[in-house]
Amino acid sequence: GAGVSQTPSNKVTEKGKYVELRCDPISGHTALYWYRQSLGQGPEFLIYFQGTGAADDSGLPNDRFFAVRPEGSVSTLKIQRTERGDSAVYLCASSHYLLSGELFFGEGSRLTVL
Amino acid sequence: AQRVTQPEKLLSVFKGAPVELKCNYSYSGSPELFWYVQYSRQRLQLLLRHISRESIKGFTADLNKGETSFHLKKPFAQEEDSAMYYCALSVNSGYSTLTFGKGTMLLVSP
Repeated sequence: GAGVSQTPSNKVTEKGKYVELRCDPISGHTALYWYRQSLGQGPEFLIYFQGTGAADDSGLPNDRFFAVRPEGSVSTLKIQRTERGDSAVYLCASSHYLLSGELFFGEGSRLTVL
Repeated sequence: AQRVTQPEKLLSVFKGAPVELKCNYSYSGSPELFWYVQYSRQRLQLLLRHISRESIKGFTADLNKGETSFHLKKPFAQEEDSAMYYCALSVNSGYSTLTFGKGTMLLVSP
């Protein structure tokens, strides 16, 4: 597809469960970002990948959150032992390295932890 | 740490009225500033960036380093401008871990 694709669009889970959120970036974009947006807030940076490696994971809130991008394209955000406070929209974005600042966002995955 | 403040949650104007969406930032260095927009049922997208010094959809924004502001302006609002607007800041050269404000909802009434 032409844009950043995220699945699932909606995920409802129970407290304590494990969740995976997937992001398929725009073809050719080497940079990939995960953001989290809680109700009434702006997007909050979680992690940035340049290629396969996590170049900056300073935004991950704790060790329950982990993300991978094994082949430098698709990325998966993994959340262990989910808590109610993890409920948010998780946004993925990609960019062409040479166009720093112009992020192309997906539609997001809305996570609800009951 | 850097911070972006958008003081207004909601700005409501009539069609044809001037619009100014406020954005202030705190960062001691030289950041890059952006405005992102999210229209209803659409994904977040870049509207403009200060280094481009361009007007997009009639919107302009000037970086004022003395006042640490990057207000978004349009002389005559249109109904299709109704959307959520986010000011964002990047302090990393080469990649963009953007710091976003909380956003301002612009509502343009006929």
